[in-house]
Amino acid sequence: AQSVTQLGSHVSVSEGALVLLRCNYSSSVPPYLFWYVQYPNQGLQLLLKYTSAATLVKGINGFEAEFKKSETSFHLTKPSAHMSDAAEYFCAYSFGNEKLTFGTGTRLTIIP
Amino acid sequence: GAGVSQTPSNKVTEKGKYVELRCDPISGHTALYWYRQSLGQGPEFLIYFQGTGAADDSGLPNDRFFAVRPEGSVSTLKIQRTERGDSAVYLCASSPISGNTIYFGEGSWLTVV
Repeated sequence: AQSVTQLGSHVSVSEGALVLLRCNYSSSVPPYLFWYVQYPNQGLQLLLKYTSAATLVKGINGFEAEFKKSETSFHLTKPSAHMSDAAEYFCAYSFGNEKLTFGTGTRLTIIP
Repeated sequence: GAGVSQTPSNKVTEKGKYVELRCDPISGHTALYWYRQSLGQGPEFLIYFQGTGAADDSGLPNDRFFAVRPEGSVSTLKIQRTERGDSAVYLCASSPISGNTIYFGEGSWLTVV
């Protein structure tokens, strides 16, 4: 069955350090891929999405993700972490229909 | 409204009771989705409406769960004979057309005691 796997339920990085959140998908056909962020007591917000137009996708708040078919990965990165980046991050996929399937999430903590 | 609005934001109910959760999508959005998020998990798809009709209800866990969208705008998720396992955050989302960016509400926290 198709799925996305997020490696690391908790990630801590120092302020100013590189953020790397990992997401791998399992599908023979590359799906559409998404990263969402959820701040405490707020709804999910789309950070970026891959829909086969370009493999390097830039999103909001300085985040970007690169689709690598050979590695079946769609890792999320940000060069320099900010305190305001502390949140829960979800990788998700769809096949162009309306059903988004989410990973289990990664909680990002920023160390001052 | 400016965003997807969900009411109530919090609901505590007794096991066996009936619950309704309301979603008011962004004005003009034709697609509406319900998801459920349990503690420590990602959101799980429940049902998707295109206009008034349920285009995909494959995620509804059992026949205690039902959702309607009679006029193609506001939707209500209905849960009968609630069980403690139904405790979760119920998320509603909408999008302007199929396949476009989905916007989520803040969710309704349901606790069944």
